[in-house]
Amino acid sequence: GAGVSQSPRYKVAKRGQDVALRCDPISGHVSLFWYQQALGQGPEFLTYFQNEAQLDKSGLPSDRFFAERPEGSVSTLKIQRTQQEDSAVYLCASSLRGHYEQYFGPGTRLTVT
Amino acid sequence: DQQVKQNSPSLSVQEGRISILNCDYTNSMFDYFLWYKKYPAEGPTFLISISSIKDKNEDGRFTVFLNKSAKHLSLHIVPSQPGDSAVYFCAASANFNKFYFGSGTKLNVKP
Repeated sequence: GAGVSQSPRYKVAKRGQDVALRCDPISGHVSLFWYQQALGQGPEFLTYFQNEAQLDKSGLPSDRFFAERPEGSVSTLKIQRTQQEDSAVYLCASSLRGHYEQYFGPGTRLTVT
Repeated sequence: DQQVKQNSPSLSVQEGRISILNCDYTNSMFDYFLWYKKYPAEGPTFLISISSIKDKNEDGRFTVFLNKSAKHLSLHIVPSQPGDSAVYFCAASANFNKFYFGSGTKLNVKP
């Protein structure tokens, strides 16, 4: 079956531009997570959705970061006025309700110049 | 403040021998631990997990050990194969909502 997909795979943005990163979770997975992974580091939690409800957004680094999942399936992570420190791989993961095991997408590598 | 730590950035092992990857955590509320494997340009892939009510979980060549008093877990791979060469992340959670990852250990299995 289809896994988690993310688009675009690579994104180059000039500092100050807005970007939108998309995640298509596995069908039927109610839980969806966004992570930021800096070079040489592990994934760092950004936010969590259960269906369309954003239950935890404590990891979003600033109010420039915004995530949504309006219909409980596809999710978008938006970063406004990108800064160089936003350069990272952004990973999306989904899981079944009540399951710890997450299925990750391939990530979007964002480079802010 | 890193709640999950992997202090060895890299490990090199001969094919057929045992690989032992270590992970330490600080939060005693964590009740579930997972190991993920990651190849370049791919997302992490779930490998094996363990609940805090157990001290060992085995799946084929992979075994995870949990020492709650030491707040330490380890992943054993026996025998190691060249295809096991990847970055391994441990992760921990106190509920289903938020997961903390270590910084990873790059395993190189030499033929």
